[in-house]
Amino acid sequence: DTGVSQNPRHKITKRGQNVTFRCDPISEHNRLYWYRQTLGQGPEFLTYFQNEAQLEKSRLLSDRFSAERPKGSFSTLEIQRTEQGDSAMYLCASSPGDNSPLHFGNGTRLTVT
Amino acid sequence: AQSVTQLGSHVSVSEGALVLLRCNYSSSVPPYLFWYVQYPNQGLQLLLKYTSAATLVKGINGFEAEFKKSETSFHLTKPSAHMSDAAEYFCAVNLRGYSTLTFGKGTMLLVSP
Repeated sequence: DTGVSQNPRHKITKRGQNVTFRCDPISEHNRLYWYRQTLGQGPEFLTYFQNEAQLEKSRLLSDRFSAERPKGSFSTLEIQRTEQGDSAMYLCASSPGDNSPLHFGNGTRLTVT
Repeated sequence: AQSVTQLGSHVSVSEGALVLLRCNYSSSVPPYLFWYVQYPNQGLQLLLKYTSAATLVKGINGFEAEFKKSETSFHLTKPSAHMSDAAEYFCAVNLRGYSTLTFGKGTMLLVSP
């Protein structure tokens, strides 16, 4: 169990640029989740995959956000035309199934200037 | 709908004192409940989980939590605080049949010598 890996750890970008984050889940976990965490708040659900299928998306996920998990392994989260309000920690988590605890990565901290 | 409320954004204790972090949940059906801990610039780590077996749940690092249906509570306790317990703690709920965790806003635990 090597844990959930997220890259990069930090990303600073200028408003209007596109950014992409990567998440490598625990290998035997078929569920993969993306959460966003802002200062002083708990993680907020964005979207999740079961294998390669994206099964649920939060209303927080505007049309500038897109997530993929092409082969049911790693996942990418892309934000187009970034805004300052997108500045946050983006957390990825994986789990082996329903109601199982989530295993989190260390997150990608995005700063939009 | 599922939600959790954590009372107190900050809790301060002295080393060796009792730790009590409060969590109340809202759900119309029996929930699964979790406590996670987050150290600075890291992801969330599972402390313990309640899945309808014993109502008193023991977790890592000497923490435990008791599920009280009549009070819709799942408070986290530790008999004696250590300096290394200083971190942010999140309560989370997952209703049966839902695939996502909903987190509270977190409680920052401060431990003084």
